[in-house]
Amino acid sequence: SAVISQKPSRDICQRGTSLTIQCQVDSQVTMMFWYRQQPGQSLTLIATANQGSEATYESGFVIDKFPISRPNLTFSTLTVSNMSPEDSSIYLCSVLQGNTGELFFGEGSRLTVL
Amino acid sequence: DAKTTQPNSMESNEEEPVHLPCNHSTISGTDYIHWYRQLPSQGPEYVIHGLTSNVNNRMASLAIAEDRKSSTLILHRATLRDAAVYYCILRDNTGGFKTIFGAGTRLFVKA
Repeated sequence: SAVISQKPSRDICQRGTSLTIQCQVDSQVTMMFWYRQQPGQSLTLIATANQGSEATYESGFVIDKFPISRPNLTFSTLTVSNMSPEDSSIYLCSVLQGNTGELFFGEGSRLTVL
Repeated sequence: DAKTTQPNSMESNEEEPVHLPCNHSTISGTDYIHWYRQLPSQGPEYVIHGLTSNVNNRMASLAIAEDRKSSTLILHRATLRDAAVYYCILRDNTGGFKTIFGAGTRLFVKA
């Protein structure tokens, strides 16, 4: 099973600033996904980040607001740009691994925007 | 993506079996049925998945209706640690392996 580390685990940010979340995986994985979980809600897929190609964003999410990097098979970053209080959420990184197509998740990064 | 319908919440007594239902009447022939759960303050974790046949693993069993329009996740003996939100998800692995989460069922376990 994949072990995923996310940094920061939590942060409090000022409106209008940007924050980059890092996701480190202990093994090489091709497919990586970024999710957002707003307070009391389910998970919403932001984008798919496969190494060697541009990230694919879901409806309602755009690259200017959530730029993603995927420089290698073990690492990715998600930036939340020009933050507003509505961006206060938990952001989760997940990877697809194994023949079963099982998803593994990081513990999440809890952002609070004031 | 085909939609799933789950009860908002369910309650169980500790050490009793729990049957979590999921309806997916628009499931396509290539959709796998996946179950994940999310414990408080953690990321989701994989529970089980299947296509047509019933499946068992160390965590749970998955019973799939013959017409595949519904399924049931079975926890054979609920513990307090099983209190979580359980998500039933359909995923077509030909569609880029995107996993779309619905609202899920919040399971409460009473001691």
